[in-house]
Amino acid sequence: GAGVSQSPSNKVTEKGKDVELRCDPISGHTALYWYRQSLGQGLEFLIYFQGNSAPDKSGLPSDRFSAERTGGSVSTLTIQRTQQEDSAVYLCASSLDGGRNQPQHFGDGTRLSIL
Amino acid sequence: AQTVTQSQPEMSVQEAETVTLSCTYDTSESNYYLFWYKQPPSRQMILVIRQEAYKQQNATENRFSVNFQKAAKSFSLKISDSQLGDTAMYFCAFQTGTASKLTFGTGTRLQVTL
Repeated sequence: GAGVSQSPSNKVTEKGKDVELRCDPISGHTALYWYRQSLGQGLEFLIYFQGNSAPDKSGLPSDRFSAERTGGSVSTLTIQRTQQEDSAVYLCASSLDGGRNQPQHFGDGTRLSIL
Repeated sequence: AQTVTQSQPEMSVQEAETVTLSCTYDTSESNYYLFWYKQPPSRQMILVIRQEAYKQQNATENRFSVNFQKAAKSFSLKISDSQLGDTAMYFCAFQTGTASKLTFGTGTRLQVTL
């Protein structure tokens, strides 16, 4: 497809386990963003990748959260030792080059549930 | 830090009527961008409309238009001739001229009824 693809669509795991969430951006988009949407809340910025530049990690809530983007395309968000407060929808977005005149295109998100 | 406030958690409108969703923001920046996103039950965020702060003219996209009041830091969304397919969560978002990340409000749930 031509849109942002995220997998899995839903993930249920036990507290304390590690999880990996995947995002495949639109082909040709160099900018990639991760956001978190908790129940009843707006989207909270987590991390931003732009080309080969160092990522903007200013939104990561703790050192249990990390993300990487290999080859400038697919990104993986990893949450270690999951806690119940990590339960949320994790949304990925991409844009052409991160410029302010470029809209961000979102995937359908991964709903993460921590038991 | 920038903040975005949506004071209407839920709204309802009848089909074919007009509804206005409110959004206010706080920033010390002079160059920024404002957006309205729609999130239907499918979860995908869809860009509805955007406004560049340096443009005085209000943006319009078909049935969607904004009322941008820069001095008041207000950015409301007007939906004309509401349709059932407009039922969704609507998020107002802010982007500075120096950072690509979006700052979102908490959303307004809009229900369009027959």
